[in-house]
Amino acid sequence: EIVLTQSPGTLSSSPGERVTLSCRASQSVVNNNLAWYQQKPGQAPRFLIYGASSRATGIPDRFSGSGSGTDFTLTISRLEPEDFAVYYCQQYGSSPGTFGQGTKVEIK
Amino acid sequence: QVQLVQSGAEVKKPGSSVSVSCKSSGGTFITYAISWVRQAPGQGLEWMGGIVPVFETANYAQKFQGRLTITADRSTSTAYLELSGLTSEDTAVYYCARDRPRSIAADGHFSGSFFDFWGQGTLVTVSS
Repeated sequence: EIVLTQSPGTLSSSPGERVTLSCRASQSVVNNNLAWYQQKPGQAPRFLIYGASSRATGIPDRFSGSGSGTDFTLTISRLEPEDFAVYYCQQYGSSPGTFGQGTKVEIK
Repeated sequence: QVQLVQSGAEVKKPGSSVSVSCKSSGGTFITYAISWVRQAPGQGLEWMGGIVPVFETANYAQKFQGRLTITADRSTSTAYLELSGLTSEDTAVYYCARDRPRSIAADGHFSGSFFDFWGQGTLVTVSS
């Protein structure tokens, strides 16, 4: 199965800053079938991005995804207070679908 | 708007079984898949398996083959997870999520996709 490695493990940043989260796959993700999720403590994950770069319905445009093959990125252009959370990538191009271990975005 | 509502928290003894339900509303239950994803305390997300309700065949992650059963009741738009042979390592929050399959075979096996709607989660604690 495909292993996804997210970096950094924790990212400390301030509101208004731009942040970039990385997700690297152990082999190429078929058709760039990669999704991103946001999870806050005690809540279910929230669906953000699919197909590496398409935003889900209702997701603000400060969230953007990019990348292809084995290297993918989630960028938050201007951090809002509600964006401090853990972010997971997931590949669904090969079965079984697998998740990265997560990147925590915390307030500096 | 699709809503997935799960059953409440469970405390189980080692070696026993647990059943968790997931009731869907606001969408077309039978044409999507429902997958189960679990999250151990302080850990990441792990796909366990899923089912397309119009079929009776479920897909399972190899890790859970033999002790996981996923079913669906079309009449009530409810999916079920049953996990047997519980150990302390099964202590986790269990989520159901709507899965939009990339493809579905004639026998109901499917190639999963992303998860656009999630249940609220059910904490299962395994303790003696």
